[in-house]
Amino acid sequence: EVQLLESGGGLVQSGGSLRLSCAASGFTFRNYALRWVRQAPGKGLEWVSAISGSGTVTYYADSVRGRFIVFRDNPKNTLYLQMNSLRAEDTAVYYCTKGNEYYFDDWGQGTLVTVSS
Amino acid sequence: QSALTQPASVSGSPGQSITISCTGTTNDVAGYNYVSWYQEHPGKAPKLILYDVSNRPSGVSDRFSGSKSGNTASLTISGLQAEDEADYHCSSYTSASTPGFVFGTGTKVTVL
Repeated sequence: EVQLLESGGGLVQSGGSLRLSCAASGFTFRNYALRWVRQAPGKGLEWVSAISGSGTVTYYADSVRGRFIVFRDNPKNTLYLQMNSLRAEDTAVYYCTKGNEYYFDDWGQGTLVTVSS
Repeated sequence: QSALTQPASVSGSPGQSITISCTGTTNDVAGYNYVSWYQEHPGKAPKLILYDVSNRPSGVSDRFSGSKSGNTASLTISGLQAEDEADYHCSSYTSASTPGFVFGTGTKVTVL
């Protein structure tokens, strides 16, 4: 059974930083691209970032490019999202997801990030 | 990349059928058969219920079905049950960004 467990969320001031982690199990971690998806309060889902299985290729949504960094530690089966220069609009539940090229078939339970202005 | 358009809310009585639309453009819904749908109960992680427009993952009820016409994809829930009350999100591959993901605005389904 695939399990994705996010952690690291919390309350941070505008301009601050936070690092999210996603501990994975139940599949061969290095073989899969992973993504971060977020949901702001009362809003729809928004794709944030993606990383290849090797970690050498990364992608970012325009809204976070230059502020967020995605990386992974394959021996530790862990995905990370380093979030810098946080803004109020980054307030959301952040999900770690696994899937193929076209959809997301496994999700973590999410971790809440609240940015206070 | 603009979000796909979904109705904010849809409601129905138990046993009825309801349909949720997901409208995009030629860059996404109209151009590719890579529409997926996710069910989200309050406080829970989203769950994939349809992929590639109309395919159900193992374990998903056959009361959920999907279709597409032009730039609009649709999710139909037949024999509506109380447990179907949730938020539903569509997603599509898009050629307008790399990698190509775009989500819908989300729909709240209420079982009356």
